[in-house]
Amino acid sequence: DQQVKQNSPSLSVQEGRISILNCDYTNSMFDYFLWYKKYPAEGPTFLISISSIKDKNEDGRFTVFLNKSAKHLSLHIVPSQPGDSAVYFCAASENRDDKIIFGKGTRLHILP
Amino acid sequence: NAGVMQNPRHLVRRRGQEARLRCSPMKGHSHVYWYRQLPEEGLKFMVYLQKENIIDESGMPKERFSAEFPKEGPSILRIQQVVRGDSAAYFCASSLRQGLRDNEQFFGPGTRLTVL
Repeated sequence: DQQVKQNSPSLSVQEGRISILNCDYTNSMFDYFLWYKKYPAEGPTFLISISSIKDKNEDGRFTVFLNKSAKHLSLHIVPSQPGDSAVYFCAASENRDDKIIFGKGTRLHILP
Repeated sequence: NAGVMQNPRHLVRRRGQEARLRCSPMKGHSHVYWYRQLPEEGLKFMVYLQKENIIDESGMPKERFSAEFPKEGPSILRIQQVVRGDSAAYFCASSLRQGLRDNEQFFGPGTRLTVL
């Protein structure tokens, strides 16, 4: 039972363009959402988060949008750079819980 | 300022043997989390520990798996009588305090367990 779904296993984007990674969730109790980036042979690295009381959070080239009614969030990266090529995990937690529920990830390829 | 350290990075075991995975949290961190990533899957929460206490083990399989975080030394995830289905990457994370808000969980590089 996948509570956090990333339906695109991979995505290719031209360098300099915008990368949009999508994520859907099913658990209406989730109130905190996170994006992690992972390179091969390394652990995930925190990128950006958003609380359910907000609909947008921005940090440099990264912006996360949350649509609670649609149970959907997205990560925008602009402009995309070669170092952004990695696997991106969408994740969520509920009710001040400490455990993080991860999606399966989307592999982003930035093309030269 | 070392990050979360895990060892070994790679571990090969035959079916029926025991696997011990170690995690040293970041300096000053007393909260440790273990996650497992099966092939082609996302990370799945296993257990959350503080020093000498198991806080949440809702993701731990009922049998063969145990975890500890002693007062001194690293956190240990132990898998007894390993089976092929235990083959996965096991990630440890640590944080400064409880809760996720403004309290990042820092992940280690993982231990890749292969069961022959």
